[in-house]
Order: sequence, then C-alpha cells, then structure tokens
Amino acid sequence: DTGVSQDPRHKITKRGQNVTFRCDPISEHNRLYWYRQTLGQGPEFLTYFQNEAQLEKSRLLSDRFSAERPKGSFSTLEIQRTEQGDSAMYLCASSLRTGGSTYEQYFGPGTRLTVT
Amino acid sequence: GNSVTQMEGPVTLSEEAFLTINCTYTATGYPSLFWYVQYPGEGLQLLLKATKADDKGSNKGFEATYRKETTSFHLEKGSVQVSDSAVYFCALSSWQGAQKLVFGQGTRLTINP
Repeated sequence: DTGVSQDPRHKITKRGQNVTFRCDPISEHNRLYWYRQTLGQGPEFLTYFQNEAQLEKSRLLSDRFSAERPKGSFSTLEIQRTEQGDSAMYLCASSLRTGGSTYEQYFGPGTRLTVT
Repeated sequence: GNSVTQMEGPVTLSEEAFLTINCTYTATGYPSLFWYVQYPGEGLQLLLKATKADDKGSNKGFEATYRKETTSFHLEKGSVQVSDSAVYFCALSSWQGAQKLVFGQGTRLTINP
C-alpha cells in the first residue's frame, strides 16, 4: 500500500469560487480525519469519519465547508465561496480502529490552497 | 479543553549536539502523547508515541518520556545530524471518542554541519 494520497497537491483559486479536495486513505483504515494547517502553526482538527459516518465536526468548519465519505472509502472536502482566510494546507489522515484499540494516524502530503 | 504548548523555535544546533525540545500539555483524563516530524517538502510522520504515564517512546535515536506529574513529554536526542533538520510537532489525543490529534505550534530545527 502506498499510504494516504491527496489530490490536488496545490490549488490556486479566486475568492468566491468553490473548490473540492480528495483524500484516499490506506485501504483497510476505517477512520479518516481532515485537519487544516496555516503557516507557522500546528494542524487543527476539522472533522472525522468512522466508515461513512461523519461523527464530529470542529467549530472551525463553517457552513461553507462540507465533507463526505461515500461508502467509507475516499473522502472529499468542499469549500464553497472561498475566502482569503481559507488559504492553508489541508491535511488528511487515516487510522484503524478495531477491538477497542486505535492505531496511529497516517497523514497524506496535503493540499495547499491559495485563495487570491 | 485539551492543549499542547511547545518550546518556541527556531532552534539551530551544530551536528552532534544534544537536543531537547520542550512540550507540556493540558488534558482531561489520560491522553496519548506523540511527536510528529515534518521534513521539508514531505507530509507529517509519526516519530514516536507514549500511551500511558512513565512510558518512554523512542525511534531513530529520539526519546520522550510521558511525565504525568509535570504534564510533559520533552523530546531528546543525544547527537543530532544534519538530516534531523525538520519541523517537530508535539501532539496529544484522548483515549476515547474521535481521538483527534491536538498539536502544538511546531518547532523548526536546523542542524548545521
């Protein structure tokens, strides 16, 4: 397995446009997380899925943001009506939760969004 | 809520120097503690972890001990190399629920030959 992949790696968009990012987790992982990282800061949690169910969303996730994970496989994160403050690196991570234990989160390379 | 405070950077050392990056946390219950590393142009990688008090995580010559009494998880390495230049993040996760990671702000480390 090649790990967590994200697409695109870079996205430049104009303010007000919609953007969508994709994350493909490690195939057997049932948990998928989205984080946002701004320059000079650590990543901040946005939302997570267990299989196809979105179980928690951060207050950072305004109503312009929506995430899906159809069929519990890949996930998409959409930002509508982008604003300059949305410029950041968007990170996806996956992990395996089984038998009451959770294993480490593996991160993808991220999608860097620049809103002009 | 849960939070992590890391030593501010950047940190610049000479090769073979001793490294300490301080990390303290605030959390309810019994979190797991992690150090992640981000090399230039690459994604976050788990460096080491500890899941209960007094556990020592170690990897690639780096070590950190989970100190519940001081709520700390300081990262140490006895002799750093140029290849250790990266950004280091301390993080915690709760043992239940989402187990989302809460990160510190990161410490940029540069090792000069």
